[in-house]
This record gives sequence, C-alpha cells and structure tokens, in this order.
Amino acid sequence: EVQLVESGGGLVQPGGSLRLSCAASGFSFSSYWMHWVRQVPGKGLVWVSRLYTDGSRTSYADSVEGRFTISRDNAANTVYLQMNSLRADDTAVYYCGRGARDDFYIDSWGQGTLVTVSS
Amino acid sequence: QSALTQAASVSGSPGQSITVSCTGTSSDVGRYDYVSWYQQHPGKVPKVIIYDVYKRPSGISNRFSGSKSGNTASLTISGLQAEDEADYYCSSFTIGSTYVFGTGTTVTVL
Repeated sequence: EVQLVESGGGLVQPGGSLRLSCAASGFSFSSYWMHWVRQVPGKGLVWVSRLYTDGSRTSYADSVEGRFTISRDNAANTVYLQMNSLRADDTAVYYCGRGARDDFYIDSWGQGTLVTVSS
Repeated sequence: QSALTQAASVSGSPGQSITVSCTGTSSDVGRYDYVSWYQQHPGKVPKVIIYDVYKRPSGISNRFSGSKSGNTASLTISGLQAEDEADYYCSSFTIGSTYVFGTGTTVTVL
C-alpha cells in the first residue's frame, strides 16, 4: 500500500524558513516523480513543485520560484520542501503527492501538513 | 500560471447528469492531452478520477467521464448519486513543464 506521510509544518513568522518532509513507503520511491501541492483551508488546490526521480529536474510555480526548493533522498525514501522567505499567503496545508508512472497526474496523496505564517 | 477556470458550483438531482467545465489556454489544456480531474470530499485528500482527458483509474465508476475540446475540458457525472457531492478540480500539464489546477467546482446533489 502506498503511504505518504508529511511532517514539519507549524507556525513560522513572516520572512522565516521551514522544511517539510514527506516519508514514502509501499512503492519503489526512486522510480517516481514527486510533487508538492498546497491548499488554503476552504480554498482550492495549488500546485507548488515537482521533482524527477533522481533529483536532476525540478519545476516550480511562479509564486514560489526562488523561495522554495524541492529535494529528495532516495536512500531515505523522503522528499523535502525547503521554504524560505515565507509570506502570509504561503499559509496552507501542504500535500505531497506521487506522480503517476510515465504520466502526468498525481496518483497518491499524503494527508497534508499545515503551515501557518503569522507574527 | 493562472488557474484554470471552473464554475464555482454545479448542482443536480439524483439520477441526473451534470457537466463540470474547465477552461484553460493554448499553453495548457489546449496543448496537451494531460488533463486530470480530482474529487475531494470535505476533510479528505484529493483522489484522481480521470486522467489523460478521459481515462479512468481502476476502481473509479464509469459514471465519471472526461472529454476535451480546444482549450476546455469537461467532466460529466451521469446517474448522479449523493456520494458524488464533493469538490472537483481539473488539472493540466503546461508548456512550462509545470502543472496548474482549476479553481474548483462544488457539486451539490439536490
């Protein structure tokens, strides 16, 4: 069974940093693209970033480009999202997701971790 | 990377068919057949119900179907059931090798 478990969320001040983790199990982690998606409670889904299997290719939403960095440790079956220069509008639940094999959608989602940016 | 446009809400009676539309641009929906649809019940995580415009993952009811014409993709739910009441989001791969979600549509079963 595919499992994705996010951690690292919490309260951070504007301008601060936070690193999210997503521990994966139940599948061959190093064979899949991984994504981060966020959702303000009560609002819509917003795609944030994705990372290739070996970490060599990344892409980001314009709203986080230059501030967020996605990375992975295939030995630890974990994907990360380093978030710097956080703003109030980064407040959201952050989900990690597994990219479907050889396709362009997210086929499994974690339960999410809440990030609150506030003074 | 503007969000794809969806109607805020669509409603129908049990047994009816409804269609949720998703309008993008020639840089996303119109360029690639990589449109997917996600269902999200309150308090739950999203679940893919359609991918590659019209394909259904294993276990998804054939009451859900997808299509695309130009820059607009559509999700049709036939034989509407109470359990279909949820938020629905479209998503597309884009020319910038990124992804974009739709604004979301709340489906209400009357």
